[in-house]
Amino acid sequence: AQSVTQLDSQVPVFEEAPVELRCNYSSSVSVYLFWYVQYPNQGLQLLLKYLSGSTLVESINGFEAEFNKSQTSFHLRKPSVHISDTAEYFCAVSPNTGFQKLVFGTGTRLLVSP
Amino acid sequence: GAGVSQSPSNKVTEKGKDVELRCDPISGHTALYWYRQSLGQGLEFLIYFQGNSAPDKSGLPSDRFSAERTGGSVSTLTIQRTQQEDSAVYLCASSLALGDGGTEAFFGQGTRLTVV
Repeated sequence: AQSVTQLDSQVPVFEEAPVELRCNYSSSVSVYLFWYVQYPNQGLQLLLKYLSGSTLVESINGFEAEFNKSQTSFHLRKPSVHISDTAEYFCAVSPNTGFQKLVFGTGTRLLVSP
Repeated sequence: GAGVSQSPSNKVTEKGKDVELRCDPISGHTALYWYRQSLGQGLEFLIYFQGNSAPDKSGLPSDRFSAERTGGSVSTLTIQRTQQEDSAVYLCASSLALGDGGTEAFFGQGTRLTVV
């Protein structure tokens, strides 16, 4: 079985400040890792994913996440946030065999203010 | 279609009534998933379809919940004798089923169910 922990339920930051959203997971099998974003009144969208290879993965809008196997973490970072990044961010894992059975964390609400 | 479509977007029902939630996946996506998003519980897996078969329905909370998929396309999630604890947003997702857990799943905007 898998579980995902997002310790921060809400992270307030000022515009142009850096941010890190923390994600830790546990699993008895190898997993793929994902970050999903949910903007206000919208559905979940895939932000980035780690499947294999380089442990640092990037999204098209400046977010990056690094897979750390020894610490079982997949923290999400952005060096300079925008107001438009205000959203809820969900970390998720899925076994790397068979179908994609996503196990989600409880989410972190990122609040960016001017 | 352009994306995963769910209907209705909102549903208010009286306790004890049955409800049906519909999901239209992206055309060509053979894998379909139902999740539930509720306060305090986060996002929970309910059931997975591959074509019209459901190899994993382990997340369905009780026998009041059932789901079917016809023609390898549309899926319906049915909740019988609704209870207040069933109130949540029910999300549907679809993906190309490549036997690879890394395939991107595309989510609909969900159906917000309120049981009063």
